[in-house]
Amino acid sequence: DGGITQSPKYLFRKEGQNVTLSCEQNLNHDAMYWYRQDPGQGLRLIYYSQIVNDFQKGDIAEGYSVSREKKESFPLTVTSAQKNPTAFYLCAAGGTEAFFGQGTRLTVV
Amino acid sequence: AQSVSQHNHHVILSEAASLELGCNYSYGGTVNLFWYVQYPGQHLQLLLKYFSGDPLVKGIKGFEAEFIKSKFSFNLRKPSVQWSDTAEYFCAVWFSSGSARQLTFGSGTQLTVLP
Repeated sequence: DGGITQSPKYLFRKEGQNVTLSCEQNLNHDAMYWYRQDPGQGLRLIYYSQIVNDFQKGDIAEGYSVSREKKESFPLTVTSAQKNPTAFYLCAAGGTEAFFGQGTRLTVV
Repeated sequence: AQSVSQHNHHVILSEAASLELGCNYSYGGTVNLFWYVQYPGQHLQLLLKYFSGDPLVKGIKGFEAEFIKSKFSFNLRKPSVQWSDTAEYFCAVWFSSGSARQLTFGSGTQLTVLP
């Protein structure tokens, strides 16, 4: 079975803690993306990476960090600097079209 | 910066009515265009896509979209909606510039179909 795997599906975090969301792909795509989905705001781009060891800020990168040490992995860290981290996070990979993971719902408690 | 606009935030229709959802983008370069659907409690699904060729593309479940380059538009249509079409619809545009690629989404349109 292949595609984009995000884990965990649900994540709870205490205020002030950093948390890392996992995204793995076996589709051999160079480009990977992280989006945040909030009701009424669609999907907003957080970070993207075109190749290994390179990544670019998207529209709402503040309070987030990423790494791209391997082609198949693009983890997203939600830091304590993110003021409103509760959201649904989607990872994608692709060439001329995007393939999405199942998402991670992060809740700050 | 490139942007994608969906002007209809919430559309309410009765069954059998015709549907048209607007999508406009701001970028003069190479684009690939997509419509995604998200049913309640489910994940994003690709409805249809346009890369090149015939500007009228047909997707799943009777949906179609027309790319009008001069208007920077990619509107989604369906002649007769069903209650099961109730969902959120997202337009997305893949912008290409040199080796850079970026997939940008519109804010989404919530469609409610009344039985």
